[in-house]
Amino acid sequence: GQNIDQPTEMTATEGAIVQINCTYQTSGFNGLFWYQQHAGEAPTFLSYNVLDGLEEKGRFSSFLSRSKGYSYLLLKELQMKDSASYLCAVSYGNNRLAFGKGNQVVVIP
Amino acid sequence: GAVVSQHPSRVICKSGTSVKIECRSLDFQATTMFWYRQFPKQSLMLMATSNEGSKATYEQGVEKDKFLINHASLTLSTLTVTSAHPEDSSFYICSANAGADEKLFFGSGTQLSVL
Repeated sequence: GQNIDQPTEMTATEGAIVQINCTYQTSGFNGLFWYQQHAGEAPTFLSYNVLDGLEEKGRFSSFLSRSKGYSYLLLKELQMKDSASYLCAVSYGNNRLAFGKGNQVVVIP
Repeated sequence: GAVVSQHPSRVICKSGTSVKIECRSLDFQATTMFWYRQFPKQSLMLMATSNEGSKATYEQGVEKDKFLINHASLTLSTLTVTSAHPEDSSFYICSANAGADEKLFFGSGTQLSVL
């Protein structure tokens, strides 16, 4: 089976930086995705890592270490609208994704 | 980005009825689409891979006779929940891959409530 672990919830202040960790054990690896999901809505794509290292895209950055089975998503200059669940997902073959339960980020003023 | 349309967004039905959910790729062709299910505060769980012109591939533990998948064209896949029961109440989401980087685009999801 596929195993994706994420912390369940964190609270941060507007303007701060948060790091959301993800560890994984999967039968295959073709890349790791981060998605943002607001309650009752479909996930929206944030980032994709297939090689080790840091990918930066505006306020969001994502890091991958394949040897450690580890990734993190970094959210900078937090805004209230960033309150959402952040899903880590691993592509393990034939375009199938295994998702973590998601990390609920609550941004407070 | 690519657009995936899913309909209906919300369904409330009586136990024993069947419900059909449609998933369309609006600006690209998708030979493969995916159906996920998500229970509250849980991860998205892959149910099946929908293959255009052939049978769907179901994940372990998913009843293929209960969750009928049809992918008759390159832009449409349907999921029919047959004889729905309250335990089938969940958020169902379809997705499709629009390019070579395996990035999935998701439909808006269907919240199914079975009374």
